[in-house]
Amino acid sequence: GESVGLHLPTLSVQEGDNSIINCAYSNSASDYFIWYKQESGKGPQFIIDIRSNMDKRQGQRVTVLLNKTVKHLSLQIAATQPGDSAVYFCAEISSGGTSYGKLTFGQGTILTVHP
Amino acid sequence: DTEVTQTPKHLVMGMTNKKSLKCEQHMGHRAMYWYKQKAKKPPELMFVYSYEKLSINESVPSRFSPECPNSSLLNLHLHALQPEDSALYLCASSPRQSRGEAFFGQGTRLTVV
Repeated sequence: GESVGLHLPTLSVQEGDNSIINCAYSNSASDYFIWYKQESGKGPQFIIDIRSNMDKRQGQRVTVLLNKTVKHLSLQIAATQPGDSAVYFCAEISSGGTSYGKLTFGQGTILTVHP
Repeated sequence: DTEVTQTPKHLVMGMTNKKSLKCEQHMGHRAMYWYKQKAKKPPELMFVYSYEKLSINESVPSRFSPECPNSSLLNLHLHALQPEDSALYLCASSPRQSRGEAFFGQGTRLTVV
């Protein structure tokens, strides 16, 4: 299940299930969104991105959905595998002002995949 | 070559020491970044360089001093750090400042004693 509190949100799934990781953003000026995966002891790894003129983008086993009305982003992982276990961050890019091009990370979600 | 290389991987330094973190990329990227990451927290932006010029400084204390000697190299000079500065320091690069497909290095795990 998924929990939110003082700690990072966590999501536990069984191998083969589909996973959905959610993210809320606050900056209306952001026009570019990215999902990153960070495994223990490594730097964040780019997964997929989406521009604000789109509401859905698909990659290999991953889909990103963007709902600008409610400022919500989600990452769907199909047929989740143990190797998908990691912390997942959404990130946004500001499109103007003094923060132009600033890549800001969201809180993160810990995904644990059980064999 | 799609790698961002950071050295050293681990660093322990005293509060009176001066040390430098190094970052290198050969992807032709013209934007480079320093991030600080505490345990179980997202990376926090410190500095952005665009075309070798400092573009963003997120009000970072002066004990952290960035330097971009050329388009492939990024340094972070450290002086008189505090124990609370202990963290993972991540370097990243992207084709341009506005392009989000940033490639990250493995980071330098810094401990200030």
